[in-house]
Amino acid sequence: AQSVTQLGSHVSVSEGALVLLRCNYSSSVPPYLFWYVQYPNQGLQLLLKYTSAATLVKGINGFEAEFKKSETSFHLTKPSAHMSDAAEYFCAVLNLSGGYQKVTFGTGTKLQVIP
Amino acid sequence: NAGVTQTPKFQVLKTGQSMTLQCAQDMNHEYMSWYRQDPGMGLRLIHYSVGAGITDQGEVPNGYNVSRSTTEDFPLRLLSAAPSQTSVYFCASSYSMPTSGNTIYFGEGSWLTVV
Repeated sequence: AQSVTQLGSHVSVSEGALVLLRCNYSSSVPPYLFWYVQYPNQGLQLLLKYTSAATLVKGINGFEAEFKKSETSFHLTKPSAHMSDAAEYFCAVLNLSGGYQKVTFGTGTKLQVIP
Repeated sequence: NAGVTQTPKFQVLKTGQSMTLQCAQDMNHEYMSWYRQDPGMGLRLIHYSVGAGITDQGEVPNGYNVSRSTTEDFPLRLLSAAPSQTSVYFCASSYSMPTSGNTIYFGEGSWLTVV
């Protein structure tokens, strides 16, 4: 089954600095990959998704992620952090098992933005 | 269009009590699922359903029961609550067919404490 690993449970950046959240996947077949964001006391919201159409995926709020097969990575980036970006971010992979979809989530990375 | 609605948002239970977390979606999605979220563990799949009358176990099904009598509703039952079931629970829904990049919609979560 496919899985994802998020490196770093906490990341701190200064406001205006580059945001880089790391995600590596393990999959024997081309995966469907996602990034979700969770603001405090809220559910998860889809940021972006990779479906093999393009390796560079642009999402909401200025985030983007690049699928790199050679590195089995799908890192999330944003050129300039805003205070409103402080949240927890989850990488996820879609598992296709017996024709049914299951989503496997990483353990999450909490992003702190320092003024 | 309300999306995915979960109730209650907060609940405190005593050990041994039973309760039901309600989940409803108005998007005519076939696929619904329940996750629990615990610190450092990401989201783990409890049970899922690919349509009315069809349910299956996820990663952590013990102590939970589900049924799917209608397309709209997917309640999660705790049979005899234990402190280990203290967690945040998320209901989610999406189209069932494993086509590329199905967006999963999440409810806002139910915070459950078992004392």
